[in-house]
Parts: sequence; structure tokens; C-alpha cells
Amino acid sequence: QVQLLQSGAELRNPGASVKVSCKASGYSFTDSYIHWVRQAPGQGLEWMGWINPNNGGRNYAQKFQGRVTVTRDTSISTAYIELTSLSFDDTAVYYCAKSPKTAYNFDHWGLGTLVTVSS
Amino acid sequence: DIQMTQSPSSLSAFVGDRVTITCRASQSISGYLNWYQQKPGKVPKALIFSASTLQTGVPSRFSGGGSGTEFTLTISSLQPEDFATYYCQQSYTFPLTFGPGTRVDI
Repeated sequence: QVQLLQSGAELRNPGASVKVSCKASGYSFTDSYIHWVRQAPGQGLEWMGWINPNNGGRNYAQKFQGRVTVTRDTSISTAYIELTSLSFDDTAVYYCAKSPKTAYNFDHWGLGTLVTVSS
Repeated sequence: DIQMTQSPSSLSAFVGDRVTITCRASQSISGYLNWYQQKPGKVPKALIFSASTLQTGVPSRFSGGGSGTEFTLTISSLQPEDFATYYCQQSYTFPLTFGPGTRVDI
């Protein structure tokens, strides 16, 4: 079955960076897209960006441009998101989710990674 | 960016009730509208894609409709396990955007 296994919770100081991983299994990693969606405590869902694992093509929400990088390692079927210059507002659960190549709906989600920014 | 709105923001209903949630887009998104269910403390779950197609395994009491700028999610007979927040999401163009959610209390 499809699984997206995310790395564990992270605690960072303001101004620091964080990198979260998402290991895919149960399907062909290069046959779907990987997206990153975050959810601040008590808030809604916010799309951050996506990557095409097949060719590395990617797109980011304007809000995060310059601060976010999504990468992948096809040899281990893993995608990553790195967010720099963290502020308290970046405290959230970060989800990876996959979508078909034919559409941008999220059919499977990882369990989420809590990133806490605190001094 | 395409703005997504949902109404109502919350509702309370009885088991067995028919419930309808509306999602509106700030511009036409054709049929590129998806619905998700999120229970407290849990991961979002895909319910419907392309406005009206049920994801595999989703009960048939859920249905979706609409096109252009107005869409609906209907639960034909509300069950206790349907207590959750429901989000719509447009997949017409980047950036992909979500509605603010509708909380359904039983």
C-alpha cells in the first residue's frame, strides 16, 4: 500500500533552517508528484510547493519564494523540503502528499512533521 | 491567486441528516475541485476529486457537484464518524489553494 513516511518532530530557534523528509513506498516514486502542505495550530491547510520526482521540476507558492527548497533523491524514493529563516509563524505540522501526474489532487498524505519555532 | 471560500464555517446536525457544504472560487476553475476530510488530530483524507469523483473506499453517502465557481459536498445521511472539518481545494492553477474549512459537529 502507498505510504509516505515523514521524519520526526523538529525544534528550531528563530532564524534557523529545517529540513523535513518524506520517504515514499508502495508505488513508483517517479510516477506521481510530491507536494508539501502545512497546517499551523488550529488553522487550515496551506500549500507550499511541489516537485516532479521524475525530472526535478518544481513550483513554489509565492509566499515562500526565496525561503523554501524542495528536492528529491530518487535512489531512496525520498523528497525533502527545507525552509530557512524560520519565524514563530512557521510553527506548524508539515505534510507531504502525493498527487497523480494528471491532476493536482492529494490522494495520499504523510502523517505530518511538527516543526516548532521557539526561542 | 484563486481565493476559495466555504459556507457555512461550521454546522451542527443530527445523525441521519442530509448536510451540504458549499465551496466557491474567486474565478472559474472548471471542474478542478477536490474535497478532504480532517478529523481532530488526524491527517487529511481525500474524499472527492474533480468535483464529483469519489476516492476509492469513500462511502457512497458522500457526493460532490458543481463546476465553474460554485461547488457542493453533500453527505446524504450523516454518521457519527463524519464529525470532522471539510476542506475544498482548487487544482486548476498554481498556487494550489484551500478553502478555510467547514467544521461539522454531530
